[in-house]
Amino acid sequence: DQQVKQNSPSLSVQEGRISILNCDYTNSMFDYFLWYKKYPAEGPTFLISISSIKDKNEDGRFTVFLNKSAKHLSLHIVPSQPGDSAVYFCAASNDYKLSFGAGTTVTVRA
Amino acid sequence: DVKVTQSSRYLVKRTGEKVFLECVQDMDHENMFWYRQDPGLGLRLIYFSYDVKMKEKGDIPEGYSVSREKKERFSLILESASTNQTSMYLCASSSGLQGNEKLLFGSGTQLSVL
Repeated sequence: DQQVKQNSPSLSVQEGRISILNCDYTNSMFDYFLWYKKYPAEGPTFLISISSIKDKNEDGRFTVFLNKSAKHLSLHIVPSQPGDSAVYFCAASNDYKLSFGAGTTVTVRA
Repeated sequence: DVKVTQSSRYLVKRTGEKVFLECVQDMDHENMFWYRQDPGLGLRLIYFSYDVKMKEKGDIPEGYSVSREKKERFSLILESASTNQTSMYLCASSSGLQGNEKLLFGSGTQLSVL
């Protein structure tokens, strides 16, 4: 039973516009959340994270929002660039194990 | 440049073969992990190790075993490969036990079992 869910398998967005990726979780013990980005034939790479004591964390073009009451987090990419085309995985932890979502494939159109 | 190295990018094996997937990290990390990635299922944890000779089952350990004889090396073993073990296998490492350490992943091994 997946504890972290990404219900949108794919997202297509025009270059320069905002990409919004969503993630829901069921385990209220999760206290740290991360987003990973994966290009084909490469391992996932860390993108941005947020602790459960915060509701927002920003790093350049990437912002992660956390709504603990709704058990929901989202990743905003503004503006989207062609190099952002990749699979994005949401992950959550309550110890040193991470639980991952199924991923969302983002395609940025020129 | 710190990294996690997986010995093979592509591997083709036959049903019933014993398969070894090797992973080496050069960051002196305590924790090492094996995941498999399947379409629509994301990354699922097979086994992890938080110290030499220590191992813990993840979410899908059936059909797999692991070995960690040295801190830098973590091996995944398929005792008798089956077609449903065809997958992308990803090794990762991290330091500490705080639960918020970022995993560093290898490039993955695409295993096909025929």
